Amino acid sequence: AQSVTQLDSHVSVSEGTPVLLRCNYSSSYSPSLFWYVQHPNKGLQLLLKYTSAATLVKGINGFEAEFKKSETSFHLTKPSAHMSDAAEYFCVVSATNFGNEKLTFGTGTRLTIIP
Amino acid sequence: DTEVTQTPKHLVMGMTNKKSLKCEQHMGHRAMYWYKQKAKKPPELMFVYSYEKLSINESVPSRFSPECPNSSLLNLHLHALQPEDSALYLCASSQGRQGGGGIYGYTFGSGTRLTVV
Repeated sequence: AQSVTQLDSHVSVSEGTPVLLRCNYSSSYSPSLFWYVQHPNKGLQLLLKYTSAATLVKGINGFEAEFKKSETSFHLTKPSAHMSDAAEYFCVVSATNFGNEKLTFGTGTRLTIIP
Repeated sequence: DTEVTQTPKHLVMGMTNKKSLKCEQHMGHRAMYWYKQKAKKPPELMFVYSYEKLSINESVPSRFSPECPNSSLLNLHLHALQPEDSALYLCASSQGRQGGGGIYGYTFGSGTRLTVV
């Protein structure tokens, strides 16, 4: 079984300040982990993915995430927020069990950027 | 081409109508997915096709009927829907057979916003 917990349903930061979106996961198998962003009335865009290579993963638009197995965390960070970062962010875990792969989504974190 | 294209972008249908949603990708991905997303909720998996064969049906009501005519195309046929079926329907694809997405990632389309009246 696998699950994802996004610890904050809503995060507000001022433009130019750091962003931290928190995600904890549980998985019975070696997981792949993703962060997706969804702007209003849009589909999901892949920000970055962890697939058992480097634990610090760099993504698009200046985002990065660090996989910490001991803490079962995969938090998303960005040094300086931009107005265009305002969106919904989903942490997703993927695990394969007997050839069947399943994505499990977190409940999402809405990021608001204050001008 | 690195996109998943969904049409139409918006659809309003009556409860007695029959309509179809279309999803297309030309990335050579052999696994394709339908997700349903209600407002302010994460996407929920509906169907998975792997090499044009249905491999997962997440107990979706029969008023939703998926079809995969070829490796690039995925349809979702709708009939006798209920107002509670109004949602954003997302299509996604991943490389290789089902199971490849965990390594290569999933590409999502922009979705079809469905309203059932």
